[in-house]
Amino acid sequence: EAQVTQNPRYLITVTGKKLTVTCSQNMNHEYMSWYRQDPGLGLRQIYYSMNVEVTDKGDVPEGYKVSRKEKRNFPLILESPSPNQTSLYFCASSINAGVPTDTQYFGPGTRLTVL
Amino acid sequence: GENVEQHPSTLSVQEGDSAVIKCTYSDSASNYFPWYKQELGKRPQLIIDIRSNVGEKKDQRIAVTLNKTAKHFSLHITETQPEDSAVYFCAASRKIYNQGGKLIFGQGTELSVKP
Repeated sequence: EAQVTQNPRYLITVTGKKLTVTCSQNMNHEYMSWYRQDPGLGLRQIYYSMNVEVTDKGDVPEGYKVSRKEKRNFPLILESPSPNQTSLYFCASSINAGVPTDTQYFGPGTRLTVL
Repeated sequence: GENVEQHPSTLSVQEGDSAVIKCTYSDSASNYFPWYKQELGKRPQLIIDIRSNVGEKKDQRIAVTLNKTAKHFSLHITETQPEDSAVYFCAASRKIYNQGGKLIFGQGTELSVKP
């Protein structure tokens, strides 16, 4: 089944404890992206990647890191989480970074709480 | 920077009535405008999209219109049903071939359809 998966789905952690949220897609998509969803703010892009080893900042990249060593995986890394990073995180992928219209397929979301 | 404004933030209609959600965008080079529906606790899913060379697109009970001059686009849902209740997000994207792009989301509209 074609899908985007994220792990973990729920995470409660403490300030400063490094964490990684994994994202994987099995559709051979070139483009992958991370968003955070906060009430009243919609979905805001954190980082995106057009292909392996190609990443770029979205609108709210501060406090986050990403890597794209394999086409299917795009982990989100919080080196030193802070309470303002408490949010619902979505990974998304789309087939091709180079065409003007691409449906983005979202993962199930990861609800992160930083105490 | 690029911005997408979405209105209203909440919308309540009676079953069978029509619902209209409006978005304006700031980047005149935007060329792709998708709409996503997010049911409670679920991931956003694409319901319809429109490209900048098209003024209107329909898919059964939903339609999207685009006014490039005014830089706004709207989602129209006719004959609403309770299962249309969800949060709807508009988005705008500018993609340049082989240079990727960012998808900028609106703040979301919570639609409630009362039986």
